[in-house]
Amino acid sequence: DAKTTQPPSMDCAEGRAANLPCNHSTISGNEYVYWYRQIHSQGPQYIIHGLKNNETNEMASLIITEDRKSSTLILPHATLRDTAVYYCIVRGDNYGQNFVFGPGTRLSVLP
Amino acid sequence: DTAVSQTPKYLVTQMGNDKSIKCEQNLGHDTMYWYKQDSKKFLKIMFSYNNKELIINETVPNRFSPKSPDKAHLNLHINSLELGDSAVYFCASSHPAVEKLFFGSGTQLSVL
Repeated sequence: DAKTTQPPSMDCAEGRAANLPCNHSTISGNEYVYWYRQIHSQGPQYIIHGLKNNETNEMASLIITEDRKSSTLILPHATLRDTAVYYCIVRGDNYGQNFVFGPGTRLSVLP
Repeated sequence: DTAVSQTPKYLVTQMGNDKSIKCEQNLGHDTMYWYKQDSKKFLKIMFSYNNKELIINETVPNRFSPKSPDKAHLNLHINSLELGDSAVYFCASSHPAVEKLFFGSGTQLSVL
């Protein structure tokens, strides 16, 4: 079972920031937070991951609360092509551990 | 160049048939996976192989048999196909030093 809780759906206006929340209140000290997204009918795509510090890359920013019980994925300027299902995954750093995908958040970017 | 490629993209077949889905990755990764995404869109792991050895085998009927001839390939063979096997099957790969999954574009299997 997934260790995360996400809202089932969100809307965002094109050009605005999309802030996708994720709760992971049972996260352990060695577990990372990963974000993937799945654009309609395609394979999931890696976005970003982090342990406790905030992270930023060319796709998004990841903000993790100090107690690590929740995080937010930020797409700074959402475009129509960002419409997808976004998955928040908690996974340990032990080799061979599984990525468990929950139902995710369906983000709709509206023109 | 496609990093993780699966064939075929679509597979329509009758109940009781045996079929295979092929997967190849050119990323030099050691670990490959098969995931199943059902009609409710839940994505669940089926198998994981590392250097041709099975390391994860979730509760999957033994009609499903993964085969890894080398670490760049992980094929999925399915015997005696059933209606409930209809789903999209995704292959993925990863490297231990870079803990990201790279997915193929999926194979949509329809069992009639």
